[in-house]
Amino acid sequence: EVQLVESGGGLIQPGGSLRLSCAASGFTVSTNYMTWVRQSPGKGLEWVAIIYSGGTTSYVDSVKGRFAISRDTSKNTLYLQMNSLRAEDTAVYFCARLDTIMGFDYWGQGTLVTVSS
Amino acid sequence: QSVLTQPPSVSGAPGQRVTISCTGSSSNIGAGYDVHWYQQLPGTAPKVLIYGKINRPSGVPDRFSGSKSGTSASLAITGLQAEDEADYYCQSYDSSLSSYVFGTGTKVTVL
Repeated sequence: EVQLVESGGGLIQPGGSLRLSCAASGFTVSTNYMTWVRQSPGKGLEWVAIIYSGGTTSYVDSVKGRFAISRDTSKNTLYLQMNSLRAEDTAVYFCARLDTIMGFDYWGQGTLVTVSS
Repeated sequence: QSVLTQPPSVSGAPGQRVTISCTGSSSNIGAGYDVHWYQQLPGTAPKVLIYGKINRPSGVPDRFSGSKSGTSASLAITGLQAEDEADYYCQSYDSSLSSYVFGTGTKVTVL
């Protein structure tokens, strides 16, 4: 059974850093396209970052230079390093697998990041 | 501000048919990129409802159907049921932004 479990969210002050983790089971992270999608409270979905199976990464403009997506093959885990956090980064962060045919086909339950002083 | 525009809300009585539009442009839907639809029940993660514009994953009732024309796509729900109350999002890829994009989202209310 495919499962994605996020962790690492919490309350952080503006300008701070946080690293989110997404532990995967039932498939191999490194041979799939893996993404982070966020949802601000009461708002819609926003794609944040992707790491392709070959290792190439891409980000939405609003997080470029501040966020970094990575993976650990030995732990079958996806990460999102978030630096220079802003209030507008407050959101539930979901990790999701991107299938080339079916879209974002598997999602985690999400982890809440709150940026506030 | 999303490049895929959806109506904020639609509603219908049980058994009725409702449609949700997703208006894009020549750099996303109009460029031929796939359109997918997701259902998000309150407090849960989104779930794929329609993929590749018109296909349903196993387990999704055939009351849900997708279509595409030009720079827009649509999701139709026929025989509306109380359990269909949720938020619905379209999603595609935008070549101008080099970014995966979601629609603004539509809340479906069953009267």
